[in-house]
Amino acid sequence: QVQLQESGPGLVKPSQTLSLTCTVSGGSISSGSYYWSWIRQPAGKGLEWIGRIYTSGSTNYNPSLKSRVTISVDTSKNQFSLKLSSVTAADTAVYYCARTDGPARVVDYWGQGTLVTVSS
Amino acid sequence: QSALTQPPSASGSPGQSVTISCTGTSSDVGGYNYVSWYQQHPGKAPKLMIYEVSKRPSGVPDRFSGSKSGNTASLTVSGLQAEDEADYYCSSYAGSNGEYVFGTGTKVTVL
Repeated sequence: QVQLQESGPGLVKPSQTLSLTCTVSGGSISSGSYYWSWIRQPAGKGLEWIGRIYTSGSTNYNPSLKSRVTISVDTSKNQFSLKLSSVTAADTAVYYCARTDGPARVVDYWGQGTLVTVSS
Repeated sequence: QSALTQPPSASGSPGQSVTISCTGTSSDVGGYNYVSWYQQHPGKAPKLMIYEVSKRPSGVPDRFSGSKSGNTASLTVSGLQAEDEADYYCSSYAGSNGEYVFGTGTKVTVL
């Protein structure tokens, strides 16, 4: 069964770039018709889709974040990554990496999530 | 994209049923049969309960069912159990650019 694990700094200063990596285990990130996604959730609030990447490198981003987001993939390490630039306190949230089943258009497996706080 | 609209709360006694609505637009819920539902317990990652409007992943009890009419999708939990108390989120595929949108979330309380 596929497992996902987020890693990265838990504290980022305002105006800097948030960087997270997701390591996939239990299967190759390149196998199957899967996209690899990032989703976030501010404390006490709902979920927000950030974007996704296919192993070909093709990406889709939330229009509201598109100017600040970059998602990349490293198939040799079975990892994919998120960069969010020019962060503010509003970007403080639990960040989840997840697998999206392409044909079923569904996020089916989630990482446990990692809290990122934006503060000076 | 705007978040899909869900009622903030719903409740029922053990054994009863509760239905949660999820209202979007013709650009998301109404335009595609790719509505999913997630259950989230405090401090935990969301868990997929329903996908493609009404399909259940392996291991999800058949007490959970989904449906859709027009721009509104629904999740029904029958035979409520204590462990069903959680937050529930709907989600829909929302466009050719591969966008997804989530609902505002509903807290289900088992009385």
